Amino acid sequence: EDKVVQSPLSLVVHEGDTVTLNCSYEVTNFRSLLWYKQEKKAPTFLFMLTSSGIEKKSGRLSSILDKKELSSILNITATQTGDSAIYLCALNYGGSQGNLIFGKGTKLSVKP
Amino acid sequence: DGGITQSPKYLFRKEGQNVTLSCEQNLNHDAMYWYRQDPGQGLRLIYYSQIVNDFQKGDIAEGYSVSREKKESFPLTVTSAQKNPTAFYLCASSSGGDPTQYFGPGTRLTVL
Repeated sequence: EDKVVQSPLSLVVHEGDTVTLNCSYEVTNFRSLLWYKQEKKAPTFLFMLTSSGIEKKSGRLSSILDKKELSSILNITATQTGDSAIYLCALNYGGSQGNLIFGKGTKLSVKP
Repeated sequence: DGGITQSPKYLFRKEGQNVTLSCEQNLNHDAMYWYRQDPGQGLRLIYYSQIVNDFQKGDIAEGYSVSREKKESFPLTVTSAQKNPTAFYLCASSSGGDPTQYFGPGTRLTVL
């Protein structure tokens, strides 16, 4: 049973659109939630969120954790073709099997 | 430049052969990880190591083996016991106490 569920699995938008990607999780006792962007090869780190609920922002990207809803969203405004990638959400619950549990990712395609 | 390197980029293997994927980091990170990524799937943990000369199995360790003789190196061997080894393999590392993992560029393994 997946502990981290991302939706939608894929999304196609046009340049300039705003998108919201969702990450839901089942684990309540966790340390942090991380977002990564994977273009062709290595996932690159975007944000780390904690249960404090503080929004993180970087340029056109922002993300926040909703403890009550057990979810996190990643917003991208004014999308560009360079935003096309797989966006991965990972939960750091501090368990014995490594640090992070990854969702399956959302594949975002931004058309010109 | 600090970072994680993986080699080779592409690897072709005949059925019944063992192959070894290289992962080296010069970030002075204690922990290292191996993940497997299949199309439409998230990252699944194969093995991880929190310290030299010690490693633990992840969720899908069967058919794989690792060693951690040096802090900067964490090679992964895909054995002939792995029934479906064709996949994209990612190595990552992290610093003690920080859950953020930094990834190498990956190795794409194809079994012929």
